[in-house]
Amino acid sequence: ETGVTQTPRHLVMGMTNKKSLKCEQHLGHNAMYWYKQSAKKPLELMFVYNFKEQTENNSVPSRFSPECPNSSHLFLHLHTLQPEDSALYLCASSQERGLENTQYFGPGTRLTVL
Amino acid sequence: AQTVTQSQPEMSVQEAETVTLSCTYDTSESDYYLFWYKQPPSRQMILVIRQEAYKQQNATENRFSVNFQKAAKSFSLKISDSQLGDAAMYFCACEDSNYQLIWGAGTKLIIKP
Repeated sequence: ETGVTQTPRHLVMGMTNKKSLKCEQHLGHNAMYWYKQSAKKPLELMFVYNFKEQTENNSVPSRFSPECPNSSHLFLHLHTLQPEDSALYLCASSQERGLENTQYFGPGTRLTVL
Repeated sequence: AQTVTQSQPEMSVQEAETVTLSCTYDTSESDYYLFWYKQPPSRQMILVIRQEAYKQQNATENRFSVNFQKAAKSFSLKISDSQLGDAAMYFCACEDSNYQLIWGAGTKLIIKP
């Protein structure tokens, strides 16, 4: 699991906390993605960055704030979350958005909001 | 809106047997990619196989092959000689016009020893 790494692997937070999820890819890719995975539902794309520029924001609530300082790192800043935000958050990367689009995933962060 | 449908929430197969997971999708694009990903329990999502829509030949990767029927918008995954390590959630995904992947809800595959 060295291609795409995510930390922390598990996170429990209260609704008033502020926390951040980190993703790092070691594949030389230029596109990075945040997904939300809830049980028995399709993956929900949250954000896309291509060459450090945000290209997609799929109507994600402002309590989720992404940051992409360079092509290798992606963060998801969390604040005042709701219990329904509990899910597995997956980071992925691909060579470049629009080119065959094979995405490589990290192991995910299991988030529990109390 | 573009959709991907996996009609089998759960499938089971005897070890060494063959199983087929179904996937149908809806798109107005003429060229696009289709993917099958595997997510073992508590492990990360990995690519199983991909197919480019303009290629008529079905993709094959060792024991994994697809039956791609473009006109019917069907993209099923066949796993031959099933092994215990094949137990996982399997997700079908289709690329949309914005190069985003649209995902199905997944099929849980159980391998019976």
